[in-house]
Formats: sequence, structure tokens, C-alpha cells
Amino acid sequence: AQKVTQAQTEISVVEKEDVTLDCVYETRDTTYYLFWYKQPPSGELVFLIRRNSFDEQNEISGRYSWNFQKSTSSFNFTITASQVVDSAVYFCALSPLGIKAAGNKLTFGGGTRVLVKP
Amino acid sequence: DAGITQSPRHKVTETGTPVTLRCHQTENHRYMYWYRQDPGHGLRLIHYSYGVKDTDKGEVSDGYSVSRSKTEDFLLTLESATSSQTSVYFCAISELQRGGNEQFFGPGTRLTVL
Repeated sequence: AQKVTQAQTEISVVEKEDVTLDCVYETRDTTYYLFWYKQPPSGELVFLIRRNSFDEQNEISGRYSWNFQKSTSSFNFTITASQVVDSAVYFCALSPLGIKAAGNKLTFGGGTRVLVKP
Repeated sequence: DAGITQSPRHKVTETGTPVTLRCHQTENHRYMYWYRQDPGHGLRLIHYSYGVKDTDKGEVSDGYSVSRSKTEDFLLTLESATSSQTSVYFCAISELQRGGNEQFFGPGTRLTVL
């Protein structure tokens, strides 16, 4: 069985502060994908990033960066110099990898609500 | 943006009535999914489809059924709605490809069962 844990339910920061969201996962699969999604107050789910389990290179995209550490089963997400528009719920998710991977079902964490105050 | 629509977007119904939610895609993706979102639980998979007339259960499938008669449409039916099925329902689509299998989500349907 797969499990994703986002221990932080809510984080409040002041604009321009950095914020790091923790994600810890459990899986018996040797290959898998990890994802982050953003859900702004308007309610839609926006895909942010996908990482393969065999690629532990960290990634930066603008003010967003991701730190994948297979040894600790973690895939943390950092927003640098936060802005009010970053206020949202962020979800970490996990799926098996491979053509026979049972429909590529996603297992989501419970989400972390980020509130960026001006 | 992925071409995914859900209808209705909001619905209020009474306990015991059947309800059908529709997901429509214009991307010709093979895989379609129904999730429900509840506070503290993130999103949980109800059912998914891997082709026309091919469906399977997710982790919270009790009380729900699905059908997919065309590639573009995936219907979720609550056979006899209960208050515990009050939730926000999201449809998602994906396609297997070498680069990955990220899912793209529709706008959601807010269902209230009184």
C-alpha cells in the first residue's frame, strides 16, 4: 500500500519569507512518480511538478524548488520569497511508474494550507 | 489548459435520491478518474477507467458506480445519496507516456446531500 504524509496542516508566513512544505511517502514500489499540486482559493487543482524515483536531482523553477531524497522518502517543496498569490493548499502525491502500473492511480497527502500575509 | 469539464458544478439533493455527475474531456486521454475531496483527507480515488467500458474501483468506491461508454465521457453515479457523500468531486484525466503520467483535473463539482 502507498501512503503520503504531509504533517503540516497549515503554515502562515509574511510576504517575502521562505516556506518549506514537507512530504514523506511510503511505497513498496521500486520505481514511482512523485507530484506536487496547488489548489488556490478558487478551488481548481494545478499540476506543479513530477519527479521520477530514479532521478534525485533537485529542481528549481522560478521561486519554487523541490528537494527529493530517496534515502529519507521525502519530497519537500520550498517557495522562496513568498507572495500573497502563493496562498493555497498544496498537495503531494505518489503513483507507481510503468506501463502496467495499475492505472497510475495517485495517492494524495492530506494537504498543507499556506497563508501568505502581506 | 486540459479540456476537462464537469457538470453540474453545484448540486443540492436529498438523502436517498440518485445523482449522476458527468466528466467530459476533449483530450482523447485513455485514463479517467473520479476523486472526492474532504477536509483532512486530501483527495481519495473513488473509481477510475482505463478505456471505454473498462473501469475499476478505488479506495472509497462503496455507494458509487461509474460508466464510460465513450472515450470522452466518464459518469459517476451515487445510487442512493447519503449525507456522508457531501463532498467536492473532481474528475481527472491522464495518458501514459514516457515522460510521465501526471493527471489533469476538472474544475470540481460541489455536492450537498441534505
